Amino acid sequence: GAGVSQSPRYKVAKRGQDVALRCDPISGHVSLFWYQQALGQGPEFLTYFQNEAQLDKSGLPSDRFFAERPEGSVSTLKIQRTQQEDSAVYLCASSPGGPRETQYFGPGTRLLVL
Amino acid sequence: TQLLEQSPQFLSIQEGENLTVYCNSSSVFSSLQWYRQEPGEGPVLLVTVVTGGEVKKLKRLTFQFGDARKDSSLHITAAQPGDTGLYLCAGARDTGRRALTFGSGTRLQVQP
Repeated sequence: GAGVSQSPRYKVAKRGQDVALRCDPISGHVSLFWYQQALGQGPEFLTYFQNEAQLDKSGLPSDRFFAERPEGSVSTLKIQRTQQEDSAVYLCASSPGGPRETQYFGPGTRLLVL
Repeated sequence: TQLLEQSPQFLSIQEGENLTVYCNSSSVFSSLQWYRQEPGEGPVLLVTVVTGGEVKKLKRLTFQFGDARKDSSLHITAAQPGDTGLYLCAGARDTGRRALTFGSGTRLQVQP
């Protein structure tokens, strides 16, 4: 497909479990973003990659959150020892890479931690 | 903490009515974007405004960026049920940081 894809679309985890969320950006897009969207709220920035370099991780809420993009394309957001407050929709977005460029969002992964 | 405040949070109107959604901040943004998000989907960009005072029209939607680039509004004329969704404003700042700052959203429901 031509858009950003994310998997899984839904994930239910028991508290304390580790999860990994995958993002496939639009082919050729240099920039990749992760956002967290709590129920009834707007998305909040987590982290940003330019190619394989993680240039901004200031939005990661704790050291349980880790993101990588080793080959500059697919990215994985990992959450260790999940807690109930991690329940949210995790959105991935990509953009071609220039300044002020449109970010194209994927459908998100809805994570529920029980 | 949301740097962008949207109002109203919820809006339920009848088909054919007009409405305005506001997005306000104490911070200056280099550009401001409006997105629409439907349940189970990611936000989809509607428009980007860059210049203070800029007005953009997209069919029945009119977007305005404040002169000081701190606020914006979205006006919908003759709303239709297909306009139902979550409307989000998002700002980009001239600090080199690429991340968008989103408002909390306005949930619009248009009744037929």
